[in-house]
Parts: sequence; C-alpha cells; structure tokens
Amino acid sequence: GIQVEQSPPDLILQEGANSTLRCNFSDSVNNLQWFHQNPWGQLINLFYIPSGTKQNGRLSATTVATERYSLLYISSSQTTDSGVYFCAVGRNTGFQKLVFGTGTRLLVSP
Amino acid sequence: GAGVSQSPSNKVTEKGKDVELRCDPISGHTALYWYRQSLGQGLEFLIYFQGNSAPDKSGLPSDRFSAERTGGSVSTLTIQRTQQEDSAVYLCASSDVVYSAYNEQFFGPGTRLTVL
Repeated sequence: GIQVEQSPPDLILQEGANSTLRCNFSDSVNNLQWFHQNPWGQLINLFYIPSGTKQNGRLSATTVATERYSLLYISSSQTTDSGVYFCAVGRNTGFQKLVFGTGTRLLVSP
Repeated sequence: GAGVSQSPSNKVTEKGKDVELRCDPISGHTALYWYRQSLGQGLEFLIYFQGNSAPDKSGLPSDRFSAERTGGSVSTLTIQRTQQEDSAVYLCASSDVVYSAYNEQFFGPGTRLTVL
C-alpha cells in the first residue's frame, strides 16, 4: 500500500518563528489532507490539497503531486499552534480511506 | 451545522466484555469512516460505509470487530470479547461525496477505550 512519511518528527520553536513541515508519499493520490491534532485529541482540518497551493491566515500549504510531496508552512507561530500535525492521503476518487503519516509533533514555547 | 459527534467520550471496560461505540456523522454526509489511533500503530483505517453498506472492511483487525450503519446516518462499532490490545482512541469521520473526486473527511472527537 501507499506509504506516507512526515518530517521532521519533532519540532521546537520559539513563538514568532516560521516552520515548514514536509509530507512525502509513495504513489499518486487524489486526496491529501493536513490536520492539526490539538492537546485534547481532536483532529482539526487545515487543508484539503491534493494539488496546488492554498493559504489560510498564517498557514499555507503546497502539494506537488507529480513529485509526490506536500509542504505545510506555519508563519509567526503561536503557542496555540502546538500539537501534532498529520498528513493523510487517499488514492481513489470518491469514497476512500485515508492513509496517515506518523505526524510532526510541534511545540511552540513563549 | 453540527460536526461529527461520538459517544461515549471515554469508556473503561474489563477484558472479555463487549463494547459499543457510536458515531453521528455530519447531517447529509453519505460516507462514514472508522479509524483507530493507538500508540504502537498510529492512525489506521478500520471500515467505511457508503450509505448503509460497507464496501471496505479491510482494516478491521479481527472478527471480534463489527460495525453497522442505519438510515444512512448513525453508525455503531462493536468490539466483542475486548482484549487489552484493543485499547486505543476510536475516531469517526464523515464526508459528503457522491462519486466525485472531492472527498474531504471531517473527524469527530473520538472515543478513548481502555481495556483493563
């Protein structure tokens, strides 16, 4: 099956710093989502981005489908950005399961 | 509208007991998914429903696990004769997809299951 790798596994930042999280996947995909798992375990949708670039406030994401990777950019990080960031991909169109990466654990200190 | 809801939020049970976990998807969403998050295995797919049918049960770890969905809405995941390795957070997701390429999945808060 498809493999999803995320890097770095852990990241510690000072408040205000910028960061880039990477997601590599082993095969072509029709679905790619980025999630933030907050300290209470809730998965929050950040981006649905099987290709192209999107921005939402301080966050932006780019997926280069032909090269099988996606990047999540966090600018001017805040302590509330702390948590685990997951990339998940799906190969099919329509109904499909997501395959998750192992996540990047981010800690933003004041 | 309301998001995906799950109940109970926490469940502690004794080894060998049966448990039922409930998921209420976002109203109108045709697809419903169950995933499991455990320390050793990360986030893994269990089963999905297309309406009330389950075309893909490939992720169910054993025949002690079953799920059903009624009325194209609520789903129940049942684990029989629970084992300690079943301890995990069980997550439900739903999506609004009708044979199109778009399939953004939205997750509920999860049920944390602890088997003693």
